[in-house]
Order: sequence, then structure tokens, then C-alpha cells
Amino acid sequence: KAGVTQTPRYLIKTRGQQVTLSCSPISGHRSVSWYQQTPGQGLQFLFEYFSETQRNKGNFPGRFSGRQFSNSRSEMNVSTLELGDSALYLCASSFSGRVDNEQFFGPGTRLTVL
Amino acid sequence: GQNIDQPTEMTATEGAIVQINCTYQTSGFNGLFWYQQHAGEAPTFLSYNVLDGLEEKGRFSSFLSRSKGYSYLLLKELQMKDSASYLCAVTVVGGFKTIFGAGTRLFVKA
Repeated sequence: KAGVTQTPRYLIKTRGQQVTLSCSPISGHRSVSWYQQTPGQGLQFLFEYFSETQRNKGNFPGRFSGRQFSNSRSEMNVSTLELGDSALYLCASSFSGRVDNEQFFGPGTRLTVL
Repeated sequence: GQNIDQPTEMTATEGAIVQINCTYQTSGFNGLFWYQQHAGEAPTFLSYNVLDGLEEKGRFSSFLSRSKGYSYLLLKELQMKDSASYLCAVTVVGGFKTIFGAGTRLFVKA
């Protein structure tokens, strides 16, 4: 069974630009969560999607948005990039997103904002 | 609100036992996960506790006390490959999200 895939693996952007990251969950998984990981802060929850619906959102500005498609693939978008957005963005999938579901993480997208 | 505390770093010797603590203050607490993350890699699942007590899985055990808001991960017979970050994470009822602590970096020395 293929794992969670994320593309691209690395991105370099400049301030003010926007970026779109993609995540393909494990086949059969319908819940996708996104996290931002920075040194010292750990994983910060961005949002969770299930069946194309956002069920929860973290404390991030509106520049961070996401969506999920009917095949459960998900994208997140960051507009008007700031230097502080430099981070590893991880997506994780689970079967249903229930609180007791183990999450399977992708390798992440390393975003550098210059 | 939610708050999760773990030590930032720990060092232990190969073959020894190490205990990584995690305390949490979370409204609507449901359960607690431990994940392992090697440098440059994705986190991988270690354990999930929802009831009080100790769950053992090979060299790794995880303990939860709901009344004290406390958990620990116990690693026995440490190996060099156990050098990694260990992430404590809690889930809340009906929340559809997992809240992670900042992680504990464990260094295993020979």
C-alpha cells in the first residue's frame, strides 16, 4: 500500500508570492490534516478535511487555506508569503479522522521564503 | 485552551532505560498519542492511550493518568537508532484535530 505523498518536496519562494502544496493520502483514507513544523514550535495544526469538508481549523491567518477533492487528495495554499512561513509542511491521513485514528504522515514539503 | 509540555532534550546511554514525560492541560481530552520522528523524516505512530494505565509494546511502553494530565513514554534497552524526537499529542472529543507538543529530542550515546 503506497504511503502518503506530498509534492513538491522542496520550494523556494520570495515574500509576497503564493504557493500551493499537494497531498495524496493513503488509498481508502478520507481524512487529511495539515501541519506546520518549525524548530522549537513543533507541529502546529492548520486544518483537517474529510469528504471535501473542512471540519476544523487551527489558529493561522486567512492567508492559509486548503481544500480537498472528491478523491481525497488535498491542497493547501499560502498567499502573500512572509519570511515566517518558512517551515516544513506535513500532511497526514487517517481512515476517518476519528480521535482514536492513527495518522500516517507524508515526507513533507520544505518551504523556504526569501 | 490547550497546553502540552515535554522536556526539550534528553540524553541516555545505549542499553539503558529512559522515560520521557508529557503533561497536558486540555479541555475535552479524549486520548494521547506518541509519535517518533527521526531527523529529516516524517513522524511515525508509536502508541495511543485513552484509558489510565500502562500499555506495553516491545521495548516501548506508554502510560497515561487522565486525572493528573500526565503521560510518559518508556524506552527500554536503548539502541542508537532510538535517537529521534518523540512527540506527545492529544486529541479532544469531537475536535477532529490532534494537538502536538513541541517534542523531546532524545540523544542515545554509546
